[in-house]
Amino acid sequence: AQTVTQSQPEMSVQEAETVTLSCTYDTSESNYYLFWYKQPPSRQMILVIRQEAYKQQNATENRFSVNFQKAAKSFSLKISDSQLGDTAMYFCAFMGGGGATNKLIFGTGTLLAVQP
Amino acid sequence: SQTIHQWPATLVQPVGSPLSLECTVEGTSNPNLYWYRQAAGRGLQLLFYSVGIGQISSEVPQNLSASRPQDRQFILSSKKLLLSDSGFYLCAWSVYDNRYNYGYTFGSGTRLTVV
Repeated sequence: AQTVTQSQPEMSVQEAETVTLSCTYDTSESNYYLFWYKQPPSRQMILVIRQEAYKQQNATENRFSVNFQKAAKSFSLKISDSQLGDTAMYFCAFMGGGGATNKLIFGTGTLLAVQP
Repeated sequence: SQTIHQWPATLVQPVGSPLSLECTVEGTSNPNLYWYRQAAGRGLQLLFYSVGIGQISSEVPQNLSASRPQDRQFILSSKKLLLSDSGFYLCAWSVYDNRYNYGYTFGSGTRLTVV
């Protein structure tokens, strides 16, 4: 079974600085997808960034980028120029690529606090 | 554009009472639908998913059930709530595309407190 591990329960960063959130996963599949979701205090789940395992190039979305290390099964999220609105719980998630019934499996989350 | 509606936003129910949470999706057809539960300060646990009308798969044996009476409607129910059913319930949808994975889109959630 696939598992997703986020080893940092809480992190803190100063406004305008850069922070990296860690995620590792375990799977025997070769084709899969990885995601980072953000859950602000409103508790709405918001997709931040996605990565296809078959792509070697790391995904980027504005201030958000990932470091995808397939051999190490690592998928970290880097937030540059942190803003107060980035304060949220961040979840790493995995989905196998095998078909319509594949489910999204979440890690336990990292609570990020951006300090002014 | 696609939207997902989930209600109620907040619910306080006594132990032993029934439960019905509803989720509807607009702007898409034949979506995959999901119910997740998030306990306080913890990750998301998949409860049920559905790939079509009347097709329900349960991930965790429990006091809850799900139904999909219409293509874009997903209902989470219980006949008798337990204290352990308290949590934040999220509905989500996705559309299967064998060329690209768009991930899930989530509703705004229901905070359920069983007292």
